[in-house]
Amino acid sequence: SQQGEEDPQALSIQEGENATMNCSYKTSINNLQWYRQNSGRGLVHLILIRSNEREKHSGRLRVTLDTSKKSSSLLITASRAADTASYFCATVTGGGNKLTFGTGTQLKVEL
Amino acid sequence: DTAVSQTPKYLVTQMGNDKSIKCEQNLGHDTMYWYKQDSKKFLKIMFSYNNKELIINETVPNRFSPKSPDKAHLNLHINSLELGDSAVYFCASSQDQATGGSFFGQGTRLTVV
Repeated sequence: SQQGEEDPQALSIQEGENATMNCSYKTSINNLQWYRQNSGRGLVHLILIRSNEREKHSGRLRVTLDTSKKSSSLLITASRAADTASYFCATVTGGGNKLTFGTGTQLKVEL
Repeated sequence: DTAVSQTPKYLVTQMGNDKSIKCEQNLGHDTMYWYKQDSKKFLKIMFSYNNKELIINETVPNRFSPKSPDKAHLNLHINSLELGDSAVYFCASSQDQATGGSFFGQGTRLTVV
């Protein structure tokens, strides 16, 4: 079964607004990663947050991790039309080397 | 240069046929993967190889057989294709999932008719 559930499933905002996506997972993790997938393309790694970290920034991206609630959020600030894509969280557990993906959030940024 | 490249990008074939998808990475990574993305966009790992050795095999029908001739290549062969095999298959590679992410290929959209 999927490790993570993402919320919302779909999000539509205006350019310049902030977009927040949430991810919940079920078991203890080593780290959590966020990926972007443009329509018809492969996944692109955005950011990785370790289980002992609470917040991480990369450009317009801000990721938080709450291991007590087994949840993470991805904030995209000042969104652009080019941010339109599907966003997936993925977890790495134990000493494992595989990614277990969430269900994804489809983000649409309108001009 | 494309970091992870897979061919073909599109594959349309009839039920019962055998087909292969090829993947190559030029990143020098030790680990390569095959993931399957279904029509609802759920992504699930199928196989993982580390330095040509199989390390993950996730309850995939044995009609699917990965082969890694060297650590830069991981191919996927599928026998006796079924309608339910229709999906997008992604190849990926990584050096260390504990510290860095995976690099994905562009995907192969397989349609079985």
